[in-house]
Amino acid sequence: DAKTTQPPSMDCAEGRAANLPCNHSTISGNEYVYWYRQIHSQGPQYIIHGLKNNETNEMASLIITEDRKSSTLILPHATLRDTAVYYCIVRVAGGNQGGKLIFGQGTELSVKP
Amino acid sequence: GAVVSQHPSRVICKSGTSVKIECRSLDFQATTMFWYRQFPKQSLMLMATSNEGSKATYEQGVEKDKFLINHASLTLSTLTVTSAHPEDSSFYICSASGTSGGQFFGPGTRLTVL
Repeated sequence: DAKTTQPPSMDCAEGRAANLPCNHSTISGNEYVYWYRQIHSQGPQYIIHGLKNNETNEMASLIITEDRKSSTLILPHATLRDTAVYYCIVRVAGGNQGGKLIFGQGTELSVKP
Repeated sequence: GAVVSQHPSRVICKSGTSVKIECRSLDFQATTMFWYRQFPKQSLMLMATSNEGSKATYEQGVEKDKFLINHASLTLSTLTVTSAHPEDSSFYICSASGTSGGQFFGPGTRLTVL
């Protein structure tokens, strides 16, 4: 079972920041928080991941609470192309079987003009 | 970098036939590949994990004799759906992971069984 809880859907106005929340209250000390998104009928796309510090890259920012029980993905200036299902996943880092990704239901983000 | 391809992108077959889907890591060596299935309006469901040169590990409820997985090289894994039936119609997605630990997804294969 997925270890995260996300709202099923959210709307965001184009050009505004999209803040997507995720609860992961049972996260273990060695588990990272990963975010992927899936645009309709495509494979998931990696966005960002973090352990306990806030992270930023060219796509988004990831804010993790101090107790690590929740996080927020921030798309600073959402565009129509950011309309997708966003998945928050916790997993142990690494490429072996222990690092498999278990997808929950995700948040369907609709960016509107 | 970190590009994963799948072939074919879509396939239509008759009930009872077998279908092979290829997953390739184009610019890195994939020590581990994963296969997922996604039904309409549902999330991705992990089917199996395969490590190069060894047998795949299947998730609970996934029939290993129906979904044959081969990971013969560090850049290629194949999923064969044997004796396909209409209920096997789905979107099949692979992902590949190398030494960096990142996991990268292919574009998916749409299977329709008539």
